[in-house]
Amino acid sequence: KQEVTQIPAALSVPEGENLVLNCSFTDSAIYNLQWFRQDPGKGLTSLLLIQSSQREQTSGRLNASLDKSSGRSTLYIAASQPGDSATYLCAGASQGGGADGLTFGKGTHLIIQP
Amino acid sequence: DAGVTQSPTHLIKTRGQQVTLRCSPKSGHDTVSWYQQALGQGPQFIFQYYEEEERQRGNFPDRFSGHQFPNYSSELNVNALLLGDSALYLCASSFLSISGNTIYFGEGSWLTVV
Repeated sequence: KQEVTQIPAALSVPEGENLVLNCSFTDSAIYNLQWFRQDPGKGLTSLLLIQSSQREQTSGRLNASLDKSSGRSTLYIAASQPGDSATYLCAGASQGGGADGLTFGKGTHLIIQP
Repeated sequence: DAGVTQSPTHLIKTRGQQVTLRCSPKSGHDTVSWYQQALGQGPQFIFQYYEEEERQRGNFPDRFSGHQFPNYSSELNVNALLLGDSALYLCASSFLSISGNTIYFGEGSWLTVV
């Protein structure tokens, strides 16, 4: 059974810093891994999707990497801004389209101080 | 292009009652999944519907049931509500036939059981 862990649980940094959020998973037979953002009281917004055959994906100031052998993924946020404050969740899928459901970590609560 | 829409956004029910939550998937998507997110936790997979049938189910009791309609919209029903059912219920949609496609979430329905 897949288990996903996110470290740290919470992070507070000054605006402008580059930061890394960590995600680890127990089952290396992962199909893909997706990073989401969740604002307080809201749903999830997909940020990046990495297929098992890929090593990384980039979108703007965000870069996500995937290392299946070590069971790790990282989300790198460059030049952080107060608007980046949110909870970031990673989720692994064991089948395409999340057919067996995504397994989520508990998230990293990020605060960017102006 | 409308994303995933859910209704109602908030509701309060009494212990022992029944509740129905509704979801319309993103245009072009044929698969709907439901998740439960307790406060401070990551979402937990409840079940997934495809071609009007339940394909996969997470570790949730039979009090949780669902339905998918020919237009791909879906309902989540919870019977005999418990205080512990209080949570954010998220609907996610995807296109099952396309491997590796991104999964999109709605804004969720906040259920409070008193």
